[in-house]
Amino acid sequence: GAGVSQSPSNKVTEKGKDVELRCDPISGHTALYWYRQSLGQGLEFLIYFQGNSAPDKSGLPSDRFSAERTGGSVSTLTIQRTQQEDSAVYLCASSNTEAFFGQGTRLTVV
Amino acid sequence: AQTVTQSQPEMSVQEAETVTLSCTYDTSESDYYLFWYKQPPSRQMILVIRQEAYKQQNATENRFSVNFQKAAKSFSLKISDSQLGDAAMYFCASLSGSARQLTFGSGTQLTVLP
Repeated sequence: GAGVSQSPSNKVTEKGKDVELRCDPISGHTALYWYRQSLGQGLEFLIYFQGNSAPDKSGLPSDRFSAERTGGSVSTLTIQRTQQEDSAVYLCASSNTEAFFGQGTRLTVV
Repeated sequence: AQTVTQSQPEMSVQEAETVTLSCTYDTSESDYYLFWYKQPPSRQMILVIRQEAYKQQNATENRFSVNFQKAAKSFSLKISDSQLGDAAMYFCASLSGSARQLTFGSGTQLTVLP
């Protein structure tokens, strides 16, 4: 596709359930980023992948959060045992120089 | 490590007037890029303008221009002839050349008054 694609657009889940968020980056982009954005707030860095290097996981808020990037392309962000404070919009971006963003996944934990 | 600071949480401008949004950054890299992104209520992040650190000339994109002061580590965004559609949250960001670390400021909410 021409842009960064994220799925699902919206996800409502029950507290304690696991969720997977998917990001399809722009083909050929070596860097992929995940951010979290709470309502009316800025972007909170979670994790980023750069080529074949080990990912920078320094922004993951707890061990319930993990992410992988398969084949240098698609990435999945997994949140285990979701909590209400995990409710936010999760944004993915890919980049060679400037970063292009997907439309985000709005996660609501009830 | 990189830091990006936006000291104006909110700004407002009259339609057709000019407004400047401030941003300062800090990086130990010599090779980096700077960006301004716009996020309207639709939440889609839209790239407004980019500046390569090695270029002395300020970037311009139609009504949007930057004032890049490398020594002062300042990167402000000027919006001329403001339009109602410019109302959004604006984020300043830096991208390091080597590690590709992408760091954002806290954002400035711009209101355009008719």
